[in-house]
Amino acid sequence: AQSVTQPDIHITVSEGASLELRCNYSYGATPYLFWYVQSPGQGLQLLLKYFSGDTLVQGIKGFEAEFKRSQSSFNLRKPSVHWSDAAEYFCAVNEEYGNKLVFGAGTILRVKS
Amino acid sequence: EPEVTQTPSHQVTQMGQEVILRCVPISNHLYFYWYRQILGQKVEFLVSFYNNEISEKSEIFDDQFSVERPDGSNFTLKIRSTKLEDSAMYFCASTRTSGGSSYEQYFGPGTRLTVT
Repeated sequence: AQSVTQPDIHITVSEGASLELRCNYSYGATPYLFWYVQSPGQGLQLLLKYFSGDTLVQGIKGFEAEFKRSQSSFNLRKPSVHWSDAAEYFCAVNEEYGNKLVFGAGTILRVKS
Repeated sequence: EPEVTQTPSHQVTQMGQEVILRCVPISNHLYFYWYRQILGQKVEFLVSFYNNEISEKSEIFDDQFSVERPDGSNFTLKIRSTKLEDSAMYFCASTRTSGGSSYEQYFGPGTRLTVT
């Protein structure tokens, strides 16, 4: 069965600092990979997705993620964090032409000024 | 930009009562989903729905749960007899396709269900 691991439950970074949120997945073939963000009281907003091709994908709000097949990872990065980035971030995977998304446990990002 | 909407935003119900959570998916989407998120836990898949029938369901989605697309716009989740452990945020999602480069599940804002 597919699974997604986000090893960091909480991360605190200073405003303006760089950010990397980790995500590892377990799946035999090439999965579809996603990062979603959830602000307090809000729904899930898609930041970026990877299907195939270029392993570095760009998303909204200045985020990017890199797919590394050898490490089964899809880490999310941002070069300079803004206070408005404070939220919970979820990595998700689904099989090609599958139906459901399998989510990681989420990482809560706190931004200190 | 089109979006998935859900009503109500918050529902409080007593144990044993029936609840219906409503969703309006994006109008040209064909695949519909329900997920739930118990407070402090991960988002979990409940059920997917296509062409007026369930295409996949999780082990959570037992006989107490049902889904329906009663008309061309609404997609509902019914919990027949709520239990305390059903308290969670319930998200509806929809997609236009089942795969390919344009695949993306669009999520609604959620309904917070509190069972007392």
